[in-house]
Amino acid sequence: RKEVEQDPGPFNVPEGATVAFNCTYSNSASQSFFWYRQDCRKEPKLLMSVYSSGNEDGRFTAQLNRASQYISLLIRDSKLSDSATYLCVVIINTGGFKTIFGAGTRLFVKA
Amino acid sequence: DAGVIQSPRHEVTEMGQEVTLRCKPISGHDYLFWYRQTMMRGLELLIYFNNNVPIDDSGMPEDRFSAKMPNASFSTLKIQPSEPRDSAVYFCASSLDRGETQYFGPGTRLLVL
Repeated sequence: RKEVEQDPGPFNVPEGATVAFNCTYSNSASQSFFWYRQDCRKEPKLLMSVYSSGNEDGRFTAQLNRASQYISLLIRDSKLSDSATYLCVVIINTGGFKTIFGAGTRLFVKA
Repeated sequence: DAGVIQSPRHEVTEMGQEVTLRCKPISGHDYLFWYRQTMMRGLELLIYFNNNVPIDDSGMPEDRFSAKMPNASFSTLKIQPSEPRDSAVYFCASSLDRGETQYFGPGTRLLVL
């Protein structure tokens, strides 16, 4: 079983739709959580950190469920420019730190 | 701020040749990471440094790969000898602290023929 798993998609949604991505992690020593966005042939860029209490940034909402070991990303009112791959990132603290990227979920927003 | 700088942006080489990838992290960042991204395996952490010292190189695929960080503003990832299966995009990233946001460079696209 992979340490971080995401639905690869692709998700094809119309503009204005709400779309949600989930990411599960297997290591209970996971300490920090992030969502990154990667556009085609570009580098990953931080979209938002994920806090225990959940957090929102404009149209984006991230949530963490430690009991079930998953994080989620909700995008409201999708824009064409939201089309990208969304990467779930988990940092595990087992004495040393380890950064694990999920394989990513591809999103296509259509006009 | 210039962000993380990587060179070259593209590299095409023949099997058996030595390849050297270069990275300049963001000034003041104490952590530097090297990643490899392929369609099959996604984004994999190869090695990371803290204050120029390699901390975890468990992701380095084999002895053909080596990485150095001679000072706070420069790191190299070397592949010798290169093989076609090394073809990938290699990213360098830096961060202020271990659990903080990592800022990625634009990547080096390596093709080994």
